[in-house]
Parts: sequence; C-alpha cells; structure tokens
Amino acid sequence: SQQGEEDPQALSIQEGENATMNCSYKTSINNLQWYRQNSGRGLVHLILIRSNEREKHSGRLRVTLDTSKKSSSLLITASRAADTASYFCATDGDETSGSRLTFGEGTQLTVNP
Amino acid sequence: GAVVSQHPSWVICKSGTSVKIECRSLDFQATTMFWYRQFPKQSLMLMATSNEGSKATYEQGVEKDKFLINHASLTLSTLTVTSAHPEDSSFYICSATRWAVMDTQYFGPGTRLTVL
Repeated sequence: SQQGEEDPQALSIQEGENATMNCSYKTSINNLQWYRQNSGRGLVHLILIRSNEREKHSGRLRVTLDTSKKSSSLLITASRAADTASYFCATDGDETSGSRLTFGEGTQLTVNP
Repeated sequence: GAVVSQHPSWVICKSGTSVKIECRSLDFQATTMFWYRQFPKQSLMLMATSNEGSKATYEQGVEKDKFLINHASLTLSTLTVTSAHPEDSSFYICSATRWAVMDTQYFGPGTRLTVL
C-alpha cells in the first residue's frame, strides 16, 4: 500500500515563482527521496535526504525532512517551464524492507511561461 | 552513468497473448532490480523485487504466475505478462540498484503496454 501522501495533487504557477510540494508518510524511514517524472517517461532521481538530516540543497531544489511529523517538503525556486512534471516522494523503510521504495501519490506541477 | 534501458518502449498486443519486457542496466551491474506498474495519473506500485540468480519476491496481490520475472544476469531482468488482458494495460517501469549506491534506484524509461 502507498504510505506516502502528497499535497497538493496539482500545482500551477508562473515561471519564476517558487513551487512547494509536501509529502507525509506513516512508518519509520531510513531515507526519503524525491523523483521527477515527465509525462509518459521514467523517473529521474532528484535528491535523497537521510532520516538524520533536516535539510538538503541541490541547485534550485531544497528538501526538508521532519521525522517527528513524518513529513517532507520539496521547494523548487525560480521555476522554469521545463520544471513541468510530476514529482513523487519515496520512502525507504527499515532494514527489513531492503531497498524497497514506497511512493507517494505525486504532485503534478505545471509551470506556465 | 547508471543508465537503465527498457525494451520495448511500447507494445500493443491481443488479449490472451504473452508479452516480454526487458530491463537492462547498461553501464553497471545491478544488485537488485525492481518492477513497478503505473496507471494513468497514479503513482508507482511495486510489483516485485528481483535479484540475479534467485526467485523474485512479489508484493502482496501480485500474481507470480501471471507476471513472470527472470533475472538471468547482473544486467538483465525480464518481465513476462502472460495471457494478457485489457486490465493489464499499464505503464511498466523497472529500476535497478548498484552495489556502491544501494539506496538509490535508477529507473528505466518505462514500457507502455496496451492489451486489446
């Protein structure tokens, strides 16, 4: 079953604005990852944040993790039309789950030029 | 590096036929490969986890006799959808992990299966 829930389900912004997507999960995790998927394509790994980290940056991406609230957020700054895609969070659970990932429902981001 | 390919990228077949989808890690040896399915506007659902030379581990509710997985080498895993039906129409995506970075999955481009 999907343990990740993301909000909003859809987000439409203007180019140059910031986009924030949130993800919540239910069980303990080793790490949380964010992926991007263009329509009809595979997934591209964006960033991984470990359970003992609170914030991580990569270019225009900023990810936060609050394990007490079991939630994470992905911020894309200065958005571009090319950022239009679906964004998924995925959690890697405890050692018994191995490398298995559980994906959230995703946020469809549309950046209007 | 860490490129995963899938073949075919799309396939249309008649109901009752079997379809094989290949997943290859092109520039690394994959310790584990995963198979997901994704319905339109939905998230990815893990179907099975596959390690080279051993039987795949299927998720609850996934029929192992219907979705046959063969992981013959460290760079190739195949998913065969047997006796396909229209409800099997979906986007099938594989991913792979490599020894040095086991907590990151590298995804293939996906295969669109349409069963008529």
